[in-house]
Amino acid sequence: QSALTQPASVSGSPGQSSTISCAGTSSDVGGYNYVSWYQQHPGKAPKLLIYEVSNRPSGVSNRFSGSKSGNTASLTISGLQAEDEADYYCSSFTSSSTWVFGGGTKLTVL
Amino acid sequence: QVQLQESGPGLVKPSQTLSLTCTVSGGSISSSNYYWSWIRQPAGKGLEWIGRIYTRGSTTYNPSLKSRITISADTSKNQFSLRLSSVTAADTAVYYCARLPMAGLHFDYWGQGTLVTVSS
Repeated sequence: QSALTQPASVSGSPGQSSTISCAGTSSDVGGYNYVSWYQQHPGKAPKLLIYEVSNRPSGVSNRFSGSKSGNTASLTISGLQAEDEADYYCSSFTSSSTWVFGGGTKLTVL
Repeated sequence: QVQLQESGPGLVKPSQTLSLTCTVSGGSISSSNYYWSWIRQPAGKGLEWIGRIYTRGSTTYNPSLKSRITISADTSKNQFSLRLSSVTAADTAVYYCARLPMAGLHFDYWGQGTLVTVSS
């Protein structure tokens, strides 16, 4: 199974919005609404931000939102804050009943 | 609040078997609502899903690792384990255990991770 495709890096200024894409295939992202997003700060475990494409767990800021169109999912972070600077990973359930992650995107808040 | 904690040797010799255990507190691994999973991350690289176990009777593994992996569970201790055989330097990584709800199929709780280095 191939990793989902994410941009290596994105950036934005405080207060602006930034969007991270996650491209897959019809066998993963496009085939199921089981796309999730994770935030990882250096030296820390990943933290769940979004599940089932667009649902936020309790306690996650509403500045984080998810969507999907065809085989590509997206994570949008609005009102960028310094603490949003981190690595972000998407993940999807697959037609083989396995899970696959994206390569990760480093978000820099300028 | 569910908590997961990985444990095991931090150093494994090449060709040997890596063994890790994840101890779960605040919830039962026997629950019918959850899978339990292993994920790893080489230094400076992305996340790789290793496999998952459903303690009521099934496992699924990453096809690229399938021939070397065994995931098992000890419900009496509320633990699940990973064995990865014939390790090489490429298996050096931080290994995480995580909970995987059947409703939603995402990783909602993670352990802090444990670094395993493969070196002679």
